[in-house]
Amino acid sequence: NAGVTQTPKFRVLKTGQSMTLLCAQDMNHEYMYWYRQDPGMGLRLIHYSVGEGTTAKGEVPDGYNVSRLKKQNFLLGLESAAPSQTSVYFCASLAGQGILNFGAGTRLSVL
Amino acid sequence: QKEVEQDPGPLSVPEGAIVSLNCTYSNSAFQYFMWYRQYSRKGPELLMYTYSSGNKEDGRFTAQVDKSSKYISLFIRDSQPSDSATYLCAMRGNTGNQFYFGTGTSLTVIP
Repeated sequence: NAGVTQTPKFRVLKTGQSMTLLCAQDMNHEYMYWYRQDPGMGLRLIHYSVGEGTTAKGEVPDGYNVSRLKKQNFLLGLESAAPSQTSVYFCASLAGQGILNFGAGTRLSVL
Repeated sequence: QKEVEQDPGPLSVPEGAIVSLNCTYSNSAFQYFMWYRQYSRKGPELLMYTYSSGNKEDGRFTAQVDKSSKYISLFIRDSQPSDSATYLCAMRGNTGNQFYFGTGTSLTVIP
């Protein structure tokens, strides 16, 4: 039982490049979330999913797209990266009683 | 006004001290209250979970919720250097799928 696994752990992009962050969970959880964490800003919700095939916007969705084709995977895409997207990205899944289980994070730098 | 306010610190205390961490919130619909601990360069991990008002104790940690004042606290007794981390409060309502996080308080316990 690996919990929530995020890949990659680190990435450096140039402005305008695209990439996909992968989140995988093996706990059969329905709800999954993508957050970004910036100094002084706390955790901000980008997008979330309440089940396979569904996605919804969070607080800061602009510049990101997501897909939930399989229940265990939640993908976060950046089509044209910008320096403002330099951040640490966390994926989480929702366990019973409303507890979020987080992955270890992906550190992204956009130059 | 932010949904959740948390003093970012930093907070520095000697080993053995009692630590008090606090959050205030504005939404009276919040029913679930959580504290997450985040070590440097790691994902947040659930530390304490409380439903509605009252106290909950787990070892050296005590979580308090005062819904009338919209105020939650985390107390750490006999603080240890291993408690050095950022502490995030989080909360959500009975309905809805979103969690609201404080910005986190950075704590250092000095040996």
